[in-house]
Amino acid sequence: SQQGEEDPQALSIQEGENATMNCSYKTSINNLQWYRQNSGRGLVHLILIRSNEREKHSGRLRVTLDTSKKSSSLLITASRAADTASYFCAAPTGNQFYFGTGTSLTVIP
Amino acid sequence: ETGVTQTPRHLVMGMTNKKSLKCEQHLGHNAMYWYKQSAKKPLELMFVYNFKEQTENNSVPSRFSPECPNSSHLFLHLHTLQPEDSALYLCASSQGAWGNTEAFFGQGTRLTVV
Repeated sequence: SQQGEEDPQALSIQEGENATMNCSYKTSINNLQWYRQNSGRGLVHLILIRSNEREKHSGRLRVTLDTSKKSSSLLITASRAADTASYFCAAPTGNQFYFGTGTSLTVIP
Repeated sequence: ETGVTQTPRHLVMGMTNKKSLKCEQHLGHNAMYWYKQSAKKPLELMFVYNFKEQTENNSVPSRFSPECPNSSHLFLHLHTLQPEDSALYLCASSQGAWGNTEAFFGQGTRLTVV
């Protein structure tokens, strides 16, 4: 079953703009994670936010978590062409990491 | 470089062939995973190993056979595959299999079944 589901499926912005992606999940979690995947490559971990945290920052990334709504958002500020990739959320439950279909972000130079 | 290495990077095999995918991690992690990634579909979790013991098998067809000889190595043995099995196969590892820490992924093996 799918625990993390990203929205929108695709996003295209101009370089310098901010990009916001959303994630919804189904069951209780102790943390939520965001990953990035360049085309045809493996996933790379970006940031982990624990269930008792509401917001977390890492460089140009800002993640929020709303456990009451079972949702999270990833904001990339001042986007660059190199940010073009697919972004996935994972809400690990028990023994498993489940991912959605991801948000495909295109940053136009 | 994530510390998780998958070989080969690309593989083309016929439906009657037998091949194996290899994954190796030097991170000292206890848990290892196989995922299948097909176009336009969510990543599918196939198998989970924790301390060399298989703890999850998500209804994967028997033509996929995992092997975990030790905590650093994971194999996926393939036989009599179908064209719909063509996909990117990703290996991952984590410290503990309870999702409390991040997962590290290999670069994947692009498998084409002809």
